[in-house]
Amino acid sequence: EVQLVESGGGLVQPGGSLRLSCAASGFTFSSYWMNWVRQAPGKGLEWVANIKQDGSGEYFADSVKGRFTISRDNAKNSLHLQMNSLRADDTAVYYCARGRYCSGGSCYLAGFAVWGQGTRVTVSS
Amino acid sequence: EIVMTQSPASLSVSPGERATLSCWASQSVSNNLAWYQQKPGQTPRLLIYGASTRATGIPARFSGSGSGTEFTLTISSLQSEDFAVYYCQQYDSWLNFGGGTKVEIK
Repeated sequence: EVQLVESGGGLVQPGGSLRLSCAASGFTFSSYWMNWVRQAPGKGLEWVANIKQDGSGEYFADSVKGRFTISRDNAKNSLHLQMNSLRADDTAVYYCARGRYCSGGSCYLAGFAVWGQGTRVTVSS
Repeated sequence: EIVMTQSPASLSVSPGERATLSCWASQSVSNNLAWYQQKPGQTPRLLIYGASTRATGIPARFSGSGSGTEFTLTISSLQSEDFAVYYCQQYDSWLNFGGGTKVEIK
């Protein structure tokens, strides 16, 4: 079964740090870009960051650039989001989502077909 | 940055009726457009990619159309399980979601 399972969410004070993880199974993790998407309470979806299939490139939304880093371990089929200098407006459910499929030097995106169940991050004093 | 705008913000529809949801891009995204459904407390579910291709397991009553800057999601005959929030997403340049359209029971 294709599955993504996030962990690491919780309550953190403004200015603090948190590291989210996403464990992948059921597919060839190293063939896919991976994404983090968040959803603030009662709000819509916001793409946060993604990373190439081999970890050679990372991209971020302006709202988190310079504060968040994304990494992956293809040997362990895991994705991570290191969140520093957290602010109240980072409060959200954070989802990992499978992105572009890469094969033979080309990559293709057909939407985010696989999502994790989400992990909740609350930034509050 | 490409801005995605969805209209209307909410839509009241009776079961069995047709629902038409719109999504506009601030600049052309070709056909690099996806639609998602999200029910309360659930993870988003991919419905449509490539503007018009249904994802695996999606019923034929869901259809997508458009290209460039104007896109439409049509639900031909609303079922009770279709009442949800629908998001469009462009993936032509970076990744952006629209603000969503909530489809409610009339």
